[in-house]
Amino acid sequence: NAGVTQTPKFRVLKTGQSMTLLCAQDMNHEYMYWYRQDPGMGLRLIHYSVGEGTTAKGEVPDGYNVSRLKKQNFLLGLESAAPSQTSVYFCASSLRGYVDTGELFFGEGSRLTVL
Amino acid sequence: ELKVEQNPLFLSMQEEKNYTIYCNYSTTSDRLYWYRQDPGKSLESLFVLLSNGAVKQEGRLMASLDTKARLSTLHITAAVHDLSATYFCAVDMSSGGGADGLTFGKGTHLIIQP
Repeated sequence: NAGVTQTPKFRVLKTGQSMTLLCAQDMNHEYMYWYRQDPGMGLRLIHYSVGEGTTAKGEVPDGYNVSRLKKQNFLLGLESAAPSQTSVYFCASSLRGYVDTGELFFGEGSRLTVL
Repeated sequence: ELKVEQNPLFLSMQEEKNYTIYCNYSTTSDRLYWYRQDPGKSLESLFVLLSNGAVKQEGRLMASLDTKARLSTLHITAAVHDLSATYFCAVDMSSGGGADGLTFGKGTHLIIQP
């Protein structure tokens, strides 16, 4: 049971390049989330999804797009990377909010550097 | 806008001492979570507090929730070096069943010295 898996783990981009981060979960969770973590800032929610085919904006959505074509996968895209997007990105999933504890299960993180 | 404030943000303490980390939040919620993060690692769930007055304990850590005061505490008893980590509290602010994710505090960086 792998839980939440993120790929790639590390990536270096040049300003203006594009890339996609992939999150896959094998727990049959309905809800999935993308957070970014910056020093001294805690975790901030970028986008989230409450089910296959749905997405919604979080606290810091600008510069990112997401898609959830399959229930187990949640993709985070950067169309034109900027140095301000240098961060560690965490994907998380939860079963279904108040149906269960609402606890989030996190992936190992993806460290992105934009030069 | 929900705000989650932890204090202290940095704590250096000696082994065998006791200490408390505080987590205040700005709006009504009856669900609060504590996570641990080791350097370069992911977040590990420690406690899930789902109602006013909830208290959970695991080893030398004990967490409690007072929803009326909008306050949660994480108490460390007789600290040991292995508890050195960054601790985050997070609050579920959604009224629609937990769909909106959790709002995190900035984290408390805890160093326990011999």
